[in-house]
Amino acid sequence: DTEVTQTPKHLVMGMTNKKSLKCEQHMGHRAMYWYKQKAKKPPELMFVYSYEKLSINESVPSRFSPECPNSSLLNLHLHALQPEDSALYLCASSQEGSLFLNSPLHFGNGTRLTVT
Amino acid sequence: GQQVMQIPQYQHVQEGEDFTTYCNSSTTLSNIQWYKQRPGGHPVFLIQLVKSGEVKKQKRLTFQFGEAKKNSSLHITATQTTDVGTYFCAGRGSGTYKYIFGTGTRLKVLA
Repeated sequence: DTEVTQTPKHLVMGMTNKKSLKCEQHMGHRAMYWYKQKAKKPPELMFVYSYEKLSINESVPSRFSPECPNSSLLNLHLHALQPEDSALYLCASSQEGSLFLNSPLHFGNGTRLTVT
Repeated sequence: GQQVMQIPQYQHVQEGEDFTTYCNSSTTLSNIQWYKQRPGGHPVFLIQLVKSGEVKKQKRLTFQFGEAKKNSSLHITATQTTDVGTYFCAGRGSGTYKYIFGTGTRLKVLA
């Protein structure tokens, strides 16, 4: 069982659709992450939020738009995606702050996205 | 940019045999973490190494961090079918919260 909850578990969307992925954690973590994972590949960092502010954007295309409404929630808004964006999207959280630089990442189960 | 490679890419072993995966970074790391991802699952944190030359053990798993803090290894003694999955190292450079995952080693254990 994971303490990071992601919804939906599966999502199929067309290239003209707009959809959102949601992530929630109640561990009091103040760093939250979006990773993208293609089959048989490692997780690839997309965004990092620190204290609800975007701190890292790994040059992700603008068709992916992250949002952190509060310290427990993280969204990823999707618009005009391409078939090559099909992947497992993983949310993760960790403790934040200089005392917690070595905190482990806690991953959710992921959303398996298929773009048709 | 920082790159983290793992070898081997795949390993098939008979149950009871040992297994080792090696992780190599192009840059010096502040720390390294190891994760296990079961088929169809998500990465789960195993352990973290911070000090140069550090060795940690978790039951049948032994983790090492190189003296130069650029490489690491995970050794499993007497593998079991429950060890099946992909093992990733994830390294963090100094002054950043960014963890870069290694390419992963997929382990299959034959009963």
